[in-house]
Amino acid sequence: DTAVSQTPKYLVTQMGNDKSIKCEQNLGHDTMYWYKQDSKKFLKIMFSYNNKELIINETVPNRFSPKSPDKAHLNLHINSLELGDSAVYFCASSPAGRSGYTFGSGTRLTVV
Amino acid sequence: GIQVEQSPPDLILQEGANSTLRCNFSDSVNNLQWFHQNPWGQLINLFYIPSGTKQNGRLSATTVATERYSLLYISSSQTTDSGVYFCAVEQRGGSNYKLTFGKGTLLTVNP
Repeated sequence: DTAVSQTPKYLVTQMGNDKSIKCEQNLGHDTMYWYKQDSKKFLKIMFSYNNKELIINETVPNRFSPKSPDKAHLNLHINSLELGDSAVYFCASSPAGRSGYTFGSGTRLTVV
Repeated sequence: GIQVEQSPPDLILQEGANSTLRCNFSDSVNNLQWFHQNPWGQLINLFYIPSGTKQNGRLSATTVATERYSLLYISSSQTTDSGVYFCAVEQRGGSNYKLTFGKGTLLTVNP
C-alpha cells in the first residue's frame, strides 16, 4: 500500500512539449506539495495545496500549473518544456504541521 | 527565510565505523525531519524529531531546539547506508507550511 504515489517514474520528452505528472496520497493528509530536486541534489518547494486550495507558489514560472481535483490528488502540468526543467520532481503530503511529511518516489524528467 | 546548514558535506567511511551528521538551523521550528535518499533516488523518512532523542536500530537522532541544531548518529555503518542524508525543517507562517531542506551530507560506506 503505497502512501504517496507518483506517475510516471521516468519521463523523457522533447523541448516545447507539454507533460503532466500525477500524484495521489492515501494517508488522509490535508496538505500536498511539489518539490523540485536539481542536478546538485538541492530540494526546493514549488507549490503547496491545502484542501484543494493553493497556499504556496514559490516564484515558479507560470508554465508550471498544479491542479488539485480533491485533497488526495495533486497533479503537475508543465507547458512548453525547456532544457532547464530537467530534474527530479517529488510529491509530498503532510497533515499540516502536526507530524511529518511523506514523500513519493519521485519523477525523473529529462528534456532533450 | 530560514537557513539550514548541514555538515559535513561529504563523508567516507569504512564499513563498521560510526558517524555523526549535524544540522544547524537559523530560527525556531515546529518540525524537523531527517531523510535518507538512497542511490535509487527514493527519499526515506528516518526521523520526525522537532525535539528530544529517538532511536531506530543503528540510527539515532537528537534535536536541541533551544540551541537550533540536530544530530544524526549512524553506528556500525553498512554499505546500504550510503546515500545522501537530508535535514529538513518546517516553520509555520499563518497557514503556510513548508519543509526547507539543507544541502545534504553525501555518505559513502566502503566495504
